[in-house]
Amino acid sequence: QVQLRGSGPGVVKASETLSLTCSVSDNSISKFYWSWIRQPPGKRLEWIGFIYHTGYTNYNPALKSRVTMSIDRSKNQFSLTLNSVTAADTAVYYCAGGEWAPGRFDTWGQGTLVTVSS
Amino acid sequence: ELVLTQSPGTLSLSPGERATLSCRASQSVTSDYLAWYQHRPGQAPRLLLYGESVRAIGIPDRFSGSGSGTDFTLTISRLEPEDFAVYYCQHYGNSPYTLGQGTKLEIK
Repeated sequence: QVQLRGSGPGVVKASETLSLTCSVSDNSISKFYWSWIRQPPGKRLEWIGFIYHTGYTNYNPALKSRVTMSIDRSKNQFSLTLNSVTAADTAVYYCAGGEWAPGRFDTWGQGTLVTVSS
Repeated sequence: ELVLTQSPGTLSLSPGERATLSCRASQSVTSDYLAWYQHRPGQAPRLLLYGESVRAIGIPDRFSGSGSGTDFTLTISRLEPEDFAVYYCQHYGNSPYTLGQGTKLEIK
């Protein structure tokens, strides 16, 4: 089964840009829909957006103005950038993939805790 | 935006018992795009069921799903020690894709 591993800084300063990368274990990068999902402390999971291997993206309207996703098929990686972060962006960020539907998360990474510091 | 509300927030049961977890949608949805996930502490979440009742690869048959319209249920027929975790429902028919707030299944 496809395995995902997220990576990135654990602390980001307020007003700066959060950047995370997810590494895919095999060449499924060109078959799946790749999503980012986050969970702030004490709150529910929130879907951030997805990217397809063609580069097509679909973002949650609540975050759309600050989100960019990209994909690098040569490295089997996809990435998330979230700019102008605030304390409300403190969360565990998960990368996930769905083979048959963009919103169905067949496989997940373990999550990366990102804390926004002041 | 669709809101999914799960109940109860916490469910305390013993191994061997039957667990019934509920998920209520703020509007009628098709069960074709209803999924359930399990999240054990320290592990990645995993897909349990999709299309409301189809088990994902490797999921034992003690997990089942049912429901229609606005009310959906995840049933675990006989709890095993590894089943104690947080469970989330999700509808993935249209973006933005939303998930419930979760039900924590704990050992009594």
